[in-house]
Amino acid sequence: EPEVTQTPSHQVTQMGQEVILRCVPISNHLYFYWYRQILGQKVEFLVSFYNNEISEKSEIFDDQFSVERPDGSNFTLKIRSTKLEDSAMYFCASTRDSMYEQYFGPGTRLTVT
Amino acid sequence: AQSVTQLGSHVSVSEGALVLLRCNYSSSVPPYLFWYVQYPNQGLQLLLKYTSAATLVKGINGFEAEFKKSETSFHLTKPSAHMSDAAEYFCAVSEIYGGSQGNLIFGKGTKLSVKP
Repeated sequence: EPEVTQTPSHQVTQMGQEVILRCVPISNHLYFYWYRQILGQKVEFLVSFYNNEISEKSEIFDDQFSVERPDGSNFTLKIRSTKLEDSAMYFCASTRDSMYEQYFGPGTRLTVT
Repeated sequence: AQSVTQLGSHVSVSEGALVLLRCNYSSSVPPYLFWYVQYPNQGLQLLLKYTSAATLVKGINGFEAEFKKSETSFHLTKPSAHMSDAAEYFCAVSEIYGGSQGNLIFGKGTKLSVKP
């Protein structure tokens, strides 16, 4: 069964450094999302991406964040200058149609020190 | 804006007992509703979904949920809990109107413990 994959599973970085989180969505899916979950809190929407552009973004998704689909298979989330409060689990999700259920990857745990 | 409220951050049941996890939503239009489960150190797995068809929805692992528009609820139930059901459960609503691309709004989650 096809699945969403994410790499790395755990990333440790120092404050102020840039990180890139990678996701490979399911191959015939067209809509892509990033969510995050700070430890002990609920899952929060960051950004949605369709037709090679951002469809919608939350207040969390400020200028420090960017997304890209560089090669038709990968979907990346970049944090330009990480802050302590960016420490969280980041989930990628994809779906064939925005009205269908989203399939989530296993997540990348980002720890900013 | 849509929102989801899950009553009870932690629910504990005995093995074999009924599981009831509560979810209420606020939405001005009929929403799409989902329950996801998160096992320790894993990602989110879809349990079931409501997309305006049958109001009683059956999912995986013996779970089901009933959409009640009058109560704006979508509670998750399972007749008999198993030890393997211990996990965190998230209710979510999909923003599918107003040009949104189906972004999910999650509740805070309910951690289910199952006692032997």
